[in-house]
Amino acid sequence: QKEVEQNSGPLSVPEGAIASLNCTYSDRGSQSFFWYRQYSGKSPELIMSIYSNGDKEDGRFTAQLNKASQYVSLLIRDSQPSDSATYLCAVNMGSARQLTFGSGTQLTVLP
Amino acid sequence: DTGVSQDPRHKITKRGQNVTFRCDPISEHNRLYWYRQTLGQGPEFLTYFQNEAQLEKSRLLSDRFSAERPKGSFSTLEIQRTEQGDSAMYLCASPMPLAPSTDTQYFGPGTRLTVL
Repeated sequence: QKEVEQNSGPLSVPEGAIASLNCTYSDRGSQSFFWYRQYSGKSPELIMSIYSNGDKEDGRFTAQLNKASQYVSLLIRDSQPSDSATYLCAVNMGSARQLTFGSGTQLTVLP
Repeated sequence: DTGVSQDPRHKITKRGQNVTFRCDPISEHNRLYWYRQTLGQGPEFLTYFQNEAQLEKSRLLSDRFSAERPKGSFSTLEIQRTEQGDSAMYLCASPMPLAPSTDTQYFGPGTRLTVL
């Protein structure tokens, strides 16, 4: 079992719809959770961080964390074609507090 | 721009050659990470520095790989006797001063390595 798993995708949504991206993790002791966006050929760009159970909203993005279920999600409201990218879920694990990533979900927003 | 810079941005080399990459992290931060990303996968942790000390190395870091961070400033990652399987994006990351959490890592633009 991978330490961080994401829904495999690819995911396509029409412009203006809500995109829902999901992630589960194996380490119950993890405290910090992140969503990165990665455009093709570019490096990951941080879009959300979440540390406590519940929802955290930032503009059109909402991150949700449920530590009991070891589940974190990202909702993108009013999806735009510019949101088309790969979204990476990352969790701090290990003594170096390094990030462990899922394999990413490719999102396409159709005009 | 995260303030993390990497050089070169692209490197093409022949199998068996040595390559070296450089990372200049966000200034005033003592933590620096190296990751490797292959096509279709998320980044994978390679190694971690706190100041000039290399405190953690992943099993991915074979004996052909060596990393340094002299004086706790910039860092270099060297790959000796490159193999085609080394082709990947090599990413450097560090936390940002004054960020809400020191767990938050910001990535440089990466170095894309192609081994022919």
